[in-house]
Amino acid sequence: NAGVTQTPKFRVLKTGQSMTLLCAQDMNHEYMYWYRQDPGMGLRLIHYSVGEGTTAKGEVPDGYNVSRLKKQNFLLGLESAAPSQTSVYFCASSYGTAEAFFGQGTRLTVV
Amino acid sequence: GEDVEQSLFLSVREGDSSVINCTYTDSSSTYLYWYKQEPGAGLQLLTYIFSNMDMKQDQRLTVLLNKKDKHLSLRIADTQTGDSAIYFCAEIGLNAGNMLTFGGGTRLMVKP
Repeated sequence: NAGVTQTPKFRVLKTGQSMTLLCAQDMNHEYMYWYRQDPGMGLRLIHYSVGEGTTAKGEVPDGYNVSRLKKQNFLLGLESAAPSQTSVYFCASSYGTAEAFFGQGTRLTVV
Repeated sequence: GEDVEQSLFLSVREGDSSVINCTYTDSSSTYLYWYKQEPGAGLQLLTYIFSNMDMKQDQRLTVLLNKKDKHLSLRIADTQTGDSAIYFCAEIGLNAGNMLTFGGGTRLMVKP
């Protein structure tokens, strides 16, 4: 049972480049989330999904897009990366409002 | 939006008790959580408390909730060096659209 898997684990982008972060969960969870973690600021919610085919904006959605075409996958896209998007990105999934399970994180640096 | 606040840093000696504090603003909180993050890893749920409880004990962990003051604490008894990590308080409530709202994390350092 893999739980929540994020790929890639590390990435360096140049300003203006695009990329997609993939999150996969094998627990049949309805809810999936993307957070970013910055020093001293905890985790801030970027976007989330309450089911296949649905997405919604979180606290800090600007500069990001998401898609949930399959229940087990939640993709986070950066269309034109900026240095302010340098962060550690965490995906999580949950069954409703119960315990959220987190992936291991993706460390993204934008230069 | 709703807010969750924690102190940034706590240092204790091995064997002592650690108390990590958290305050929140969401009066509609239903569940409150403590997550642990070890270096280079994701967050793992340590324990949680339902908002109609005022205390929960789980082995070395004791969670106290003062709903009137919107104050949550995590006490770790007999703190070990393996407890060194960042601890996040989080809450879920109707005012935040049933989404988890996290505090900034408290870095616990345990000295031998």
